[in-house]
Amino acid sequence: AQSVSQHNHHVILSEAASLELGCNYSYGGTVNLFWYVQYPGQHLQLLLKYFSGDPLVKGIKGFEAEFIKSKFSFNLRKPSVQWSDTAEYFCAVIPTGGFKTIFGAGTRLFVKA
Amino acid sequence: DVKVTQSSRYLVKRTGEKVFLECVQDMDHENMFWYRQDPGLGLRLIYFSYDVKMKEKGDIPEGYSVSREKKERFSLILESASTNQTSMYLCASWADTEAFFGQGTRLTVV
Repeated sequence: AQSVSQHNHHVILSEAASLELGCNYSYGGTVNLFWYVQYPGQHLQLLLKYFSGDPLVKGIKGFEAEFIKSKFSFNLRKPSVQWSDTAEYFCAVIPTGGFKTIFGAGTRLFVKA
Repeated sequence: DVKVTQSSRYLVKRTGEKVFLECVQDMDHENMFWYRQDPGLGLRLIYFSYDVKMKEKGDIPEGYSVSREKKERFSLILESASTNQTSMYLCASWADTEAFFGQGTRLTVV
């Protein structure tokens, strides 16, 4: 069965620290990959996505993610977090050509001011 | 801007009640989804629909049904609400390359 695993459920960082959130998926075929973010009290919104091409994807607000096919991973990174990055982050996978999204359990990030 | 609107932000219902959660999207998307979001479990797919009157079970359909009579509207129905259905319910509409989510309905069953 397809699944998405996010390694950390809770992460606490100080402002200016670097961030890396792990995401691994299990699926035998080709996939499209996403990171969504949910700020407190707001709806889920797309942070970045990978469909094909350069495996290093840049998204909004200085986030980037790297697709490593051999490791079935799509880790999210940001060099220097801000207090406003406090949110819950979800990794998601869709088999190529499909539309049924499989979400990870989410990682709650808290950034200390 | 794509808009996905869920009819209620907060609902409190009694055990055994029939509950309707409504979702409307304004971008003529064919694919719509209902998820429930629980801490530590992420988003779990309840049902999805790929066209009017077409529906498919997701990963946790038990205790739920759906209705898609019009393209823009996708309703989630709790036939007989139970306390273990207390959760945040998210509706999403799927474009070619991403999902657009509503604000969510926080349902409490007492």
